Amino acid sequence: GAVVSQHPSWVICKSGTSVKIECRSLDFQATTMFWYRQFPKQSLMLMATSNEGSKATYEQGVEKDKFLINHASLTLSTLTVTSAHPEDSSFYICSARDAGGDNQPQHFGDGTRLSIL
Amino acid sequence: GENVEQHPSTLSVQEGDSAVIKCTYSDSASNYFPWYKQELGKGPQLIIDIRSNVGEKKDQRIAVTLNKTAKHFSLHITETQPEDSAVYFCAAVGLVVTDKLIFGTGTRLQVFP
Repeated sequence: GAVVSQHPSWVICKSGTSVKIECRSLDFQATTMFWYRQFPKQSLMLMATSNEGSKATYEQGVEKDKFLINHASLTLSTLTVTSAHPEDSSFYICSARDAGGDNQPQHFGDGTRLSIL
Repeated sequence: GENVEQHPSTLSVQEGDSAVIKCTYSDSASNYFPWYKQELGKGPQLIIDIRSNVGEKKDQRIAVTLNKTAKHFSLHITETQPEDSAVYFCAAVGLVVTDKLIFGTGTRLQVFP
């Protein structure tokens, strides 16, 4: 159980393109999903917290107009990188927290490697 | 702000030996401590977690210990196998910001056959 599916796993696109990444909890409901960014050989950096039916909460320094987050249902959150540039190239990972009570574990997707040319 | 320190950054062991990774957290209100294993090109996978009301938890070859007084928690892997090779992250969740995971910097474990 507790499977989180992230799609696509890899995307290469031209500078200026907008890219949408999907994060789905397959066998549980997630009122809260999280979006992380990870640079090579570094830890995960939280970008934003996504709550179903409300606006996402962004971490300091993360541009909300650049990284659009939508959490329209209890099983789906999307991250759209708008007008992507080479500096946005990174490994983006989502996680979902089970809705069943406090301090439920976060379960992670397998990430999306974004390369902007 | 909240901080989690993790040591060592790299760890090499012979197959069959034990491996220990240690973390220290700063927020005394933290009450939940998960450990994740991340293989190359994949997302982190939860391997074990511990809550602040217990001092030790074990799952087969993996165990976690928690010392709330010292604000330390450790991951112990016994009888290591080559497939244990990966990057391991500790994390802490505080009461004040219960939704956020504060990650350690990671430990790259290599198990040599």
